[in-house]
Amino acid sequence: GNSVTQMEGPVTLSEEAFLTINCTYTATGYPSLFWYVQYPGEGLQLLLKATKADDKGSNKGFEATYRKETTSFHLEKGSVQVSDSAVYFCALSGDTGRRALTFGSGTRLQVQP
Amino acid sequence: DAGVIQSPRHEVTEMGQEVTLRCKPISGHDYLFWYRQTMMRGLELLIYFNNNVPIDDSGMPEDRFSAKMPNASFSTLKIQPSEPRDSAVYFCASSLFSGEQYFGPGTRLTVT
Repeated sequence: GNSVTQMEGPVTLSEEAFLTINCTYTATGYPSLFWYVQYPGEGLQLLLKATKADDKGSNKGFEATYRKETTSFHLEKGSVQVSDSAVYFCALSGDTGRRALTFGSGTRLQVQP
Repeated sequence: DAGVIQSPRHEVTEMGQEVTLRCKPISGHDYLFWYRQTMMRGLELLIYFNNNVPIDDSGMPEDRFSAKMPNASFSTLKIQPSEPRDSAVYFCASSLFSGEQYFGPGTRLTVT
């Protein structure tokens, strides 16, 4: 079956530091890949997505590239802000018709001023 | 658009009681999903619907859980009888076939 593995957190960074959160996946075929963000007390919000190999998703300074050869979708940001503190989830949606998302375990990011 | 609406936002109940969680998807979306989030198991799918028809309920833990979607604008998730291990945050999400899923704010359920 499908699965997503994320680096364990929490990740603590100083403001303006570079961020990488690793994500690898296992799936048959060509899944779509997503990063969702969850702020305290809120639901999940889509941060970015990529639907085919070598696609780069980007939003709000965050980027992730769909690497089929390494089955990875690592999240990066060049300069984090305190407001980026949240939990980040990597997820995939299979291409076999099943529409539900399979999530990683989430990575908590804390950015200190 | 108001987004996905869930009610109640918080529910505290005693073991053995019936609990009903409600969801209104985004208008025009034809997929609706129920997820559960716990510290131990993370985010997991319970069930999803397409055009009001249940497609995959393999994540529903046991017969105590049931979900319905009587029309395109309303769904319920019912737990009867509730148990302390059901304590979690329950999320509803909706989407179009080719689109991303939009999540509601969740219902935090506490069963004592």
